[in-house]
Formats: sequence, structure tokens, C-alpha cells
Amino acid sequence: AQKITQTQPGMFVQEKEAVTLDCTYDTSDPSYGLFWYKQPSSGEMIFLIYQGSYDQQNATEGRYSLNFQKARKSANLVISASQLGDSAMYFCAMREAPNNNDMRFGAGTRLTVKP
Amino acid sequence: DVKVTQSSRYLVKRTGEKVFLECVQDMDHENMFWYRQDPGLGLRLIYFSYDVKMKEKGDIPEGYSVSREKKERFSLILESASTNQTSMYLCASSLGGFQETQYFGPGTRLLVL
Repeated sequence: AQKITQTQPGMFVQEKEAVTLDCTYDTSDPSYGLFWYKQPSSGEMIFLIYQGSYDQQNATEGRYSLNFQKARKSANLVISASQLGDSAMYFCAMREAPNNNDMRFGAGTRLTVKP
Repeated sequence: DVKVTQSSRYLVKRTGEKVFLECVQDMDHENMFWYRQDPGLGLRLIYFSYDVKMKEKGDIPEGYSVSREKKERFSLILESASTNQTSMYLCASSLGGFQETQYFGPGTRLLVL
């Protein structure tokens, strides 16, 4: 069965610094996709970034990048130059190709950006 | 932009009441999902639907049912609400394919007294 682990329930970062949110996953399927979502206090889940298992390069989207280490089965989210508006819950998720309607989520990490 | 809307942001119901949560998406997505979110547990899939009138159970379907009569609308029904169904409910939609992201609605915070 798929499993997503986010080991950091809460993280603090100083404004303008970079922060890494950890995510490890467990799958035996070679084809899968990894996703990160942000959930502000308003509740809506916002898609941030995607990494496919066959992608050669680490995904980047603006200040977000994904540190994908396939052999270690880790997909850490890096946020550069943190802003106060980055304070939110962050969820890592994975979907395997054979079960493409089944997206598995980690428990989430609450990031707080300090001024 | 994809838009997923949910009928209510906050709901307060009594134990034993029948509760309807509605979700509408405007991007012609085949797939729609209902999740429940509880602290420390992430999101857990209740039901999903890959076509009109089609549904599949997720991880925690007990106590819930769903209805999808039109492609854009997916309803979650609590036949007889219980206090342990107090939670945040999130609806999502997506295209098919494992690389496709899901688009989420704003969520419904349900309190069952």
C-alpha cells in the first residue's frame, strides 16, 4: 500500500530565509506522481508543484522547488525567501499510475514564518 | 481557472439529522472526490466518482453515501449524522491520469452536536 510520511508536524522559519519540508514515500510501482499542496487557514488546498517519477530534473515553480531523491524515496519541498504569507499547512501527496484515482496524503506540516 | 465550489463553508447539525454536502466543478472533469480532513491524519478519501452515476468507495465510506447525477455535481450524504463525523470535508476534481493534480473546493467545516 502507498504511504506518505511527513515527519515534521510543525516548522518555524525566519522571513526571507529558505526552508525545507520533508516528505518520504513508499511505493513499489515505477510510475507515480508526487504533489505538494498548501492549505492556508482559509481551508482551501492550493496545488504548488508536481514531480513525476520519470522526470530527470527536479521540479521548480517560482520560489518552490522539489528536491527529488528517487533512490531514497524522498520528495522534499524547498521554499526559498520565505514570506509571511507562506504560513500554512503543507501536504505531500502521491498517486501511482495503476491507481490514478487514488491520491494518498501525508499528515501535513504546519509552517510558521516569523517576521 | 478551475473552480470547485462547495455549498456551505460551515454547518452545524444535530445527531441523527440527514446532511447533504454539495460540490460543483466547472471544468468538465471526469473525476470527483470527497475527502475528510482531521488533525494529524491528513486527508482521507471517503468516495470518488469517475463518471456520472459511477462511484467507488475510498478508505472510510462507512456512514456516508454519494450521488453524481450530473458530471459537474457530486454530493456527499450523511444519512444519520453522528458526533464522530464532525470534521472538515473537502471536495476535489481532476482529469484522468496519475500526473493530473486535483483541484479542491474551499471545504465545509461540519459540527455535529
